[in-house]
Amino acid sequence: AQSVTQLDSQVPVFEEAPVELRCNYSSSVSVYLFWYVQYPNQGLQLLLKYLSGSTLVKGINGFEAEFNKSQTSFHLRKPSVHISDTAEYFCAVMGNNDMRFGAGTRLTVKP
Amino acid sequence: GAVVSQHPSRVICKSGTSVKIECRSLDFQATTMFWYRQFPKQSLMLMATSNEGSKATYEQGVEKDKFLINHASLTLSTLTVTSAHPEDSSFYICSASYKTSGGVVGNEQFFGPGTRLTVL
Repeated sequence: AQSVTQLDSQVPVFEEAPVELRCNYSSSVSVYLFWYVQYPNQGLQLLLKYLSGSTLVKGINGFEAEFNKSQTSFHLRKPSVHISDTAEYFCAVMGNNDMRFGAGTRLTVKP
Repeated sequence: GAVVSQHPSRVICKSGTSVKIECRSLDFQATTMFWYRQFPKQSLMLMATSNEGSKATYEQGVEKDKFLINHASLTLSTLTVTSAHPEDSSFYICSASYKTSGGVVGNEQFFGPGTRLTVL
């Protein structure tokens, strides 16, 4: 089975500042990696995914993530955040049709 | 493409009653469907995995007699919370994956919008 660790439960940041949300995973099989965003009382929205190919993945809303196999990491980054990016972010790993989620990181963007 | 819907989006029921939540794949055949629950300010926890036409596989600690899952067709799975109690109040999210024409399991899951269950 696989597991995911999101190293920061909360990340406060000022508007227009860069942000990095950290995610590490462990798995004994090949995996696919995902980042989702969840706004209050809503479902999950896919931000980006790594399935294969280029290790730098670009997603929606200006987010990107880099898959680092040697460090088993898949950190999410955005060069300049907006107030509207305030939400809960989940990293997920899928292997053998089994998806596991990290505990989530609460990103709060302050004016 | 790959849209998953859930119904209802929100339900309030009395303690002791049963509640059924539907999960539908609208534009693809979902060979596997998954049910998650999410408590406030927590992550998604997998409850069970169901393959069309087969009995669901429940995660450890999930009562299969309380959370009845039916996956009778390739586009519909239902979760019935039987004899619901306030501690069952949660956000329930389903997801679905598919197999390609070559029989290979798809490499991601597609999530429904969730159902907020409140048991009074």
